[in-house]
Amino acid sequence: KQEVTQIPAALSVPEGENLVLNCSFTDSAIYNLQWFRQDPGKGLTSLLLIQSSQREQTSGRLNASLDKSSGRSTLYIAASQPGDSATYLCAVQGSSNTGKLIFGQGTTLQVKP
Amino acid sequence: DTGVSQDPRHKITKRGQNVTFRCDPISEHNRLYWYRQTLGQGPEFLTYFQNEAQLEKSRLLSDRFSAERPKGSFSTLEIQRTEQGDSAMYLCASSFSVSHNSPLHFGNGTRLTVT
Repeated sequence: KQEVTQIPAALSVPEGENLVLNCSFTDSAIYNLQWFRQDPGKGLTSLLLIQSSQREQTSGRLNASLDKSSGRSTLYIAASQPGDSATYLCAVQGSSNTGKLIFGQGTTLQVKP
Repeated sequence: DTGVSQDPRHKITKRGQNVTFRCDPISEHNRLYWYRQTLGQGPEFLTYFQNEAQLEKSRLLSDRFSAERPKGSFSTLEIQRTEQGDSAMYLCASSFSVSHNSPLHFGNGTRLTVT
């Protein structure tokens, strides 16, 4: 059974810092891994999707990496801003063709001005 | 593309009442998913549809829960005889199954509070 774990559960950094969020998963047979952002009381916004054949994806100040063999992904946020404060969730799509995602519990990020 | 729309945004109900939520997916998306999220946790899969067919249901979906997607467009999720443990955010997502790597697009959810 696939399990996804995110560490740390919460993180507080001063504005301008570069930071890394971690995600690990137990079954390496995945189609892809996705990172989402969730603001309080809102739905999820897709940030990056890394296919199983890829090693990383970049979008603006965000860079996500994937090491399938070790069951790990990281989300790197450069030059953090207060507007980056949110909960970040990673999710893996397993090898069945349902598109179903298994989520981690999230990392809540606070960027202080 | 107006995004995934969910209605209502908030629902407060008394224990034992029935509630129904609606989800309108992105129009060309043939797959629709329901997830449940409790405070401090990631979303948990409940069920999914491809067009009008419900293809998978989680064990979390007890017999008090039923979901439909008539005509393969909008979907409804009904909870009968609500319990306090049903209090959660119910999220709907949709995607287009052209490849294994189609991202899911989520709505803003319906927050259910059972008193």
